Amino acid sequence: AQKITQTQPGMFVQEKEAVTLDCTYDTSDPSYGLFWYKQPSSGEMIFLIYQGSYDQQNATEGRYSLNFQKARKSANLVISASQLGDSAMYFCAMRPAQTGANNLFFGTGTRLTVIP
Amino acid sequence: NAGVTQTPKFQVLKTGQSMTLQCAQDMNHNSMYWYRQDPGMGLRLIYYSASEGTTDKGEVPNGYNVSRLNKREFSLRLESAAPSQTSVYFCASSPQTSHETQYFGPGTRLLVL
Repeated sequence: AQKITQTQPGMFVQEKEAVTLDCTYDTSDPSYGLFWYKQPSSGEMIFLIYQGSYDQQNATEGRYSLNFQKARKSANLVISASQLGDSAMYFCAMRPAQTGANNLFFGTGTRLTVIP
Repeated sequence: NAGVTQTPKFQVLKTGQSMTLQCAQDMNHNSMYWYRQDPGMGLRLIYYSASEGTTDKGEVPNGYNVSRLNKREFSLRLESAAPSQTSVYFCASSPQTSHETQYFGPGTRLLVL
């Protein structure tokens, strides 16, 4: 079975500081993709960053980086230099290459609030 | 380039009524998906279409039907709406391979009374 766990229902961060949003996953598939999405209050789902299970280096996209620890099955999102516009829900998701390959399995999300 | 579009944005139904949610993508993607998002539960897959002409059930298909009308369009139908189907519905699309990102539409808020 595939499972994504986000244990932080809510997080606060001071503007311009860095913040880490936790994500752990469980899968028996040897190959999989890990994704982070942002959902602002307007409701749309915005793709942020992707990490493949066989990628040697951690993914980075601008102020977003993914701290991938395969042995621990964790894929934490790091946002550097937080901005007020970063306030949103953040979802971690996994897509296995084989079992349920067409499904993105989502965690329950973390609500991030950036404080001025 | 509009990406993924969904109509309507918001709908109120009475129990037992039917409706169809429309989705279209202009990215020439092969695969399309329908998810529902309930409070505190993240998104769950209802149905997907890996390619034109094929559809398959996801995690929560009961009470829904889908049609892949052509490569661009993928519709979700509620034949007899129930209050448990009150949710936000997202359509998404992606290229064929499993590691490709899924791109989401803006969502449809459905309230069933």
